[in-house]
Amino acid sequence: GAVVSQHPSRVICKSGTSVKIECRSLDFQATTMFWYRQFPKKSLMLMATSNEGSKATYEQGVEKDKFLINHASLTLSTLTVTSAHPEDSSFYICSADRPYSNQPQHFGDGTRLSIL
Amino acid sequence: GQNIDQPTEMTATEGAIVQINCTYQTSGFNGLFWYQQHAGEAPTFLSYNVLDGLEEKGRFSSFLSRSKGYSYLLLKELQMKDSASYLCAVNTGFQKLVFGTGTRLLVSP
Repeated sequence: GAVVSQHPSRVICKSGTSVKIECRSLDFQATTMFWYRQFPKKSLMLMATSNEGSKATYEQGVEKDKFLINHASLTLSTLTVTSAHPEDSSFYICSADRPYSNQPQHFGDGTRLSIL
Repeated sequence: GQNIDQPTEMTATEGAIVQINCTYQTSGFNGLFWYQQHAGEAPTFLSYNVLDGLEEKGRFSSFLSRSKGYSYLLLKELQMKDSASYLCAVNTGFQKLVFGTGTRLLVSP
């Protein structure tokens, strides 16, 4: 079964709204989680690395004030898209690093964000 | 910078064999992964290579040459359900994955 839960799966909202996406590790503690963005027919682009108890590490070109990341517990990381605009519409996917796994990361099911 | 390149699209016939190539130039290397992704869904793990050579897993095999910065995913006995995007990704260190450009595979009857 799923080991990483991402919620919500789909969001449609008006321009200017802030949207929060949650990523939970279900049966393990994740000190590190990752947030990706994916445009249609494109590959995954790493946005930031979320570290429990410390500030997130953002990739070059990603606005940290626009995409707020909080990793307050070992099982939960949140991504908040602040004052969202149509150009922020995308597919956002989180992943968590599961210790002693043959995979480096387990992915959530993704969130389809549509800003009107 | 990080460069991971794949062909954009490939087509193949049901029952055939297809090879999807991936070339990479990254700042670090701790293994290469292949994922399958259907539209609107999260990636699904297929295979992992950290040493040179071929890893076989049922209908799927993956090959790695670290000296050449090259990998391929081999899909045998293609089925219609194999139509998807295939992503290679390099672990550049600290479990950080950098994804390739992705290959859309279309399997026709």
